[in-house]
Amino acid sequence: AQKVTQAQTEISVVEKEDVTLDCVYETRDTTYYLFWYKQPPSGELVFLIRRNSFDEQNEISGRYSWNFQKSTSSFNFTITASQVVDSAVYFCALSEVAYSGAGSYQLTFGKGTKLSVIP
Amino acid sequence: DAGVTQSPTHLIKTRGQQVTLRCSPKSGHDTVSWYQQALGQGPQFIFQYYEEEERQRGNFPDRFSGHQFPNYSSELNVNALLLGDSALYLCASSLGVLGETQYFGPGTRLLVL
Repeated sequence: AQKVTQAQTEISVVEKEDVTLDCVYETRDTTYYLFWYKQPPSGELVFLIRRNSFDEQNEISGRYSWNFQKSTSSFNFTITASQVVDSAVYFCALSEVAYSGAGSYQLTFGKGTKLSVIP
Repeated sequence: DAGVTQSPTHLIKTRGQQVTLRCSPKSGHDTVSWYQQALGQGPQFIFQYYEEEERQRGNFPDRFSGHQFPNYSSELNVNALLLGDSALYLCASSLGVLGETQYFGPGTRLLVL
């Protein structure tokens, strides 16, 4: 069974500080996908990044960066120079490629980390 | 390009009633998944529809059922509502089923009294 753990329930930082959100996952599959989503107070989940299990390259997108390490089963997310607009709940999610007939999959989410950026 | 839309945005029901939630996928997407998100928790997978069939189901009772129409839109039905069904119900659409990114709608907030 797949599992995602986000040990940090809540984090508060002062604007312009860097912050790292941790994500640890468990899976028996060799082929899987990892995702990060942002959920602002409005409730809609906003897609941030997708990474497949064969691509361990770290990625940077503006102030956001992601560190994927298969050896420690971690997929951490760093926000550089945080801003008030970054305040939200961030979810890490995992999908295994479960074959059932033509194939299907589901997203397993962690419990989320609530980030508060204080001006 | 319209994203995923859901209706209604909010809903109040009483125990024992039935409810239907609706979802229209992002243009070009053919797969719809439904998730339930209780307060302070991560979303939990309910089921996924592809080609008008339920392709995968999470750990939810048969009171939860769904449907996908030929235009790929979908409905989630919940019968015999319980207080514990109060949650944010999220619909996600994607292209195909194998590892594709799921894009979420704004959700329907259901309160059962």
